[in-house]
Amino acid sequence: AQTVTQSQPEMSVQEAETVTLSCTYDTSESNYYLFWYKQPPSRQMILVIRQEAYKQQNATENRFSVNFQKAAKSFSLKISDSQLGDTAMYFCAFYDSNYQLIWGAGTKLIIKP
Amino acid sequence: GAVVSQHPSRVICKSGTSVKIECRSLDFQATTMFWYRQFPKQSLMLMATSNEGSKATYEQGVEKDKFLINHASLTLSTLTVTSAHPEDSSFYICSARKTGGVNQPQHFGDGTRLSIL
Repeated sequence: AQTVTQSQPEMSVQEAETVTLSCTYDTSESNYYLFWYKQPPSRQMILVIRQEAYKQQNATENRFSVNFQKAAKSFSLKISDSQLGDTAMYFCAFYDSNYQLIWGAGTKLIIKP
Repeated sequence: GAVVSQHPSRVICKSGTSVKIECRSLDFQATTMFWYRQFPKQSLMLMATSNEGSKATYEQGVEKDKFLINHASLTLSTLTVTSAHPEDSSFYICSARKTGGVNQPQHFGDGTRLSIL
């Protein structure tokens, strides 16, 4: 079965700190696509960053970067210089063989002023 | 780009009413759109996948006669909850995937909070 595990139900850090959210997954596919989505209290689901498994270089989007370890099936998200607006639920997901999203349970991130 | 508009954002209605939710991709074409349901403090549960011009594919346990999906154009999909009952109360969210490759990410609407009295 293809699964996504986010082992941290909730995290909190001070504003301006760096925080890393963990994600591991299980798939037998050799090429696949990984995503991090953010869902703030407004409930809109926002794409933060994506990674193609065949690319060795870690994806980055401004303050957001990933540490993709294919052999370990790990896909962690690092948020640098965290801001109050980063407070949200963060979901790790990947496309299964049918290109449907398989979701993790989410990590609630709280940025404290 | 990649803006998805979902309307209405909030619906409160009586039991037995049918409710239509619209999902529009505003600045791109979407061959495939998805409908999800989200329970409190949980991730998204896929209800169905709709492809423009064809019948939707429903996930196991989702009643297709209860949740009618229409995807008549490359920018619009609708979900109609027929004869809604209190147990249908939930947060419904749609997403759209850009035409051009199944590996394109999904872009989400703002969601619809449905409350059935």
